[in-house]
Amino acid sequence: RKEVEQDPGPFNVPEGATVAFNCTYSNSASQSFFWYRQDCRKEPKLLMSVYSSGNEDGRFTAQLNRASQYISLLIRDSKLSDSATYLCVVTPAYSNTDKLIFGTGTRLQVFP
Amino acid sequence: DGGITQSPKYLFRKEGQNVTLSCEQNLNHDAMYWYRQDPGQGLRLIYYSQIVNDFQKGDIAEGYSVSREKKESFPLTVTSAQKNPTAFYLCASSITLLRGYALNYGYTFGSGTRLTVV
Repeated sequence: RKEVEQDPGPFNVPEGATVAFNCTYSNSASQSFFWYRQDCRKEPKLLMSVYSSGNEDGRFTAQLNRASQYISLLIRDSKLSDSATYLCVVTPAYSNTDKLIFGTGTRLQVFP
Repeated sequence: DGGITQSPKYLFRKEGQNVTLSCEQNLNHDAMYWYRQDPGQGLRLIYYSQIVNDFQKGDIAEGYSVSREKKESFPLTVTSAQKNPTAFYLCASSITLLRGYALNYGYTFGSGTRLTVV
């Protein structure tokens, strides 16, 4: 089983739609969680950290479910500019390094 | 502005040639990393370094070498032993807040180097 698993998509949604991605992780003791956004042929950029209590940043909401070991990202009122690949990222459990484990990403395509 | 700079943006390598990719950061980050990304695939860790003069192999270190002589710099050499080097190479850095405990605020990435074998 992969350490981090994501549905590769693509998710094709119209402008204004709400879309949700899920990501599962295998190690129950993982400590930190993130969503990154990667545009085509560009570097990944941190979108948001994911906290146990859930967090929101404008149209984006991230949730963590430790019991089921999944992380979600909800995008409301999708814009054309949201088209990108969204990477789910976790830290290893009880590691003495800061290595991050990246999922392979979920591709989102927003159409007019 | 603080950031992380990779150069060159595009690099062409001939068969049997060693090439070096540059990565420099002025964020005062302790840790630096090299990843490789192939089309349609996730990021795979090549090497990482948590402190000057120390580095560790990642998941796919064969055919690569690194050095960390300065905190700001973490160059990656792709040697002739790397049989399939064509890929997008990403350098990243992060703050190490607490030694011995995996707690961080994510990575800052450079803009990447596209390496092609010709």
